[in-house]
Parts: sequence; C-alpha cells; structure tokens
Amino acid sequence: IAGITQAPTSQILAAGRRMTLRCTQDMRHNAMYWYRQDLGLGLRLIHYSNTAGTTGKGEVPDGYSVSRANTDDFPLTLASAVPSQTSVYFCASRLATSTDTQYFGPGTRLTVL
Amino acid sequence: GQNIDQPTEMTATEGAIVQINCTYQTSGFNGLFWYQQHAGEAPTFLSYNVLDGLEEKGRFSSFLSRSKGYSYLLLKELQMKDSASYLCAVMDSNYQLIWGAGTKLIIKP
Repeated sequence: IAGITQAPTSQILAAGRRMTLRCTQDMRHNAMYWYRQDLGLGLRLIHYSNTAGTTGKGEVPDGYSVSRANTDDFPLTLASAVPSQTSVYFCASRLATSTDTQYFGPGTRLTVL
Repeated sequence: GQNIDQPTEMTATEGAIVQINCTYQTSGFNGLFWYQQHAGEAPTFLSYNVLDGLEEKGRFSSFLSRSKGYSYLLLKELQMKDSASYLCAVMDSNYQLIWGAGTKLIIKP
C-alpha cells in the first residue's frame, strides 16, 4: 500500500441499510479526516481524528459515526442510510494537526436509493 | 460565519495565462491552500501560502494578501491537462480546512 486507500470504490445502497466506508493509510499520519463532496458545495468535513483513540465532529456529522482504533484505519459508518447521503466521500490524512498538507484517498462514490 | 468565494467556472485558451481568485472570511487564519482536482479524481496539493506575497512553483504561482482576505492562483503556459477544478481552502484557528466550492477551468485549443 502506498498512501491512502479507500473501499469500496463505489456502492449503490438501499435506504435504511447500514454501510461502512473503509479508509487505510500507511504514512503513519496522526490526523485523519472524512469529507463529502457534492456538486456546487465543495468539500465538507464530516468527522476527524487528530490522533489514534480520539475523534471529533466536523461541519456535517449527523447520520455518520467514526472510530480510530489505530493509526492506520479510520472507518466511516452510516447507521441507516438516507438518499441525502448520496455523495462522493473522501478520506484524507496529514502528519500532524498543524499546517501540514492534507493528502486524499481516491474517494468512494455512494448512491443511496 | 466562515466563507470562501471563488468563481464557479472559467475558460481559457491553450498557451495562455489564467488567474483564479479566492476571497475568504474565516475565524482565524493559519494559511491558504490550493488543490487541483481532475474530474472523478481526488484533490492533489498545489500550493500553500501563509505570508503575504507570491509563491512560484514552475508554471503555477499563488499569491496571498491577508489584509484583504484574498488569494489568487496563476497558471501560465496553459496545457490541455490543466483542465480541472481548482479548490481554495483556508486553515482556520482550529487548524481545520474550510473549502471553497472550486473553480472549474476549461482549456480550449
């Protein structure tokens, strides 16, 4: 693995179903982030983690949960998907919670019907 | 509230120069980033400015004026591969990135 990987690449999901988007990085970055990107709205922060064992809420956290059991993995869970959660989801990481550059995974395209 | 403004779309000609502007109002300022995003791909880092002035990196330059809450990205000698969206993001007092909606740049031959 080199950088950040996300799985799945794309998914079509029925409303009401539970879904976990996976994110793994091998750069030993402390901070990790989940964004959603919708046309015309730019990237919006869902949840973040400054270091393993801690998480925080971003701008649009409702309907989503995260965990950070170790440095490498930062899964995002939709407990009961709704159509408004149709979006492209990007995971990102950076070395520390300072002015380091954020690096992005390839994204997951999620459609909730 | 926090706000980042940039034009929705711009068109330029191959070989020409284009300037993409970004204005911001945020709670605190710890630097401004520019990212490039090709359609269907992830954003990739282009530049970072924290002090006033111009930062040059090859064909791309980025300018910052903190007093005016203003930045621009200058792309020279445009190539077709520069067709992409350009995202402006400001790092606020909590070291979180606040993102603009992006500027879609269309390059015509």
